[in-house]
Amino acid sequence: GQSLEQPSEVTAVEGAIVQINCTYQTSGFYGLSWYQQHDGGAPTFLSYNALDGLEETGRFSSFLSRSDSYGYLLLQELQMKDSASYFCAVRSGGFQKLVFGTGTRLLVSP
Amino acid sequence: DAGVIQSPRHEVTEMGQEVTLRCKPISGHNSLFWYRQTMMRGLELLIYFNNNVPIDDSGMPEDRFSAKMPNASFSTLKIQPSEPRDSAVYFCASSLAGAGKNQPQHFGDGTRLSIL
Repeated sequence: GQSLEQPSEVTAVEGAIVQINCTYQTSGFYGLSWYQQHDGGAPTFLSYNALDGLEETGRFSSFLSRSDSYGYLLLQELQMKDSASYFCAVRSGGFQKLVFGTGTRLLVSP
Repeated sequence: DAGVIQSPRHEVTEMGQEVTLRCKPISGHNSLFWYRQTMMRGLELLIYFNNNVPIDDSGMPEDRFSAKMPNASFSTLKIQPSEPRDSAVYFCASSLAGAGKNQPQHFGDGTRLSIL
């Protein structure tokens, strides 16, 4: 089977740094993606890691360790608008098929 | 550029009725995905197509669910007969397929389905 585990909720204050972890067990692995979803909205793509290491995109960074089946999303200089759910997703086959984690709800307070 | 377009945005119907959800993928994308999202089960992949051909429908919950993609610019997800437990948000997403470089999935705004 395939499973991805994330914390259900994380809280932080504006300006802080927060890390959202993801561990996975899948048959086949091409890479790990992160998606953001605001309440009532659609998931939107944030980042993708195919190889070990850190990928940086503005205030967001994503890390992958294939040997540990582990990755994380790092959000810096948190803003109120970052309050949303964040999903890790494994690309485990061709045709860009994804298996999504259960999601982490991030609450940013003033 | 137009994104993925889903219709209707909201659907409320009575148990036993047929429900048809529609999706228009981004032009040029050749993979299309149908997802269901609920609080209990999260974001589940129901079925996906590549070049209009169903590749994997193992996520379709039961025979009451069916999906078609008659051409590259249109897909439907049908539930017949509908049941209250089918209430969820249904998302359609599209992307460019390929075993090489990652191509992100682009999601539509979803259809919020309530079965009474």
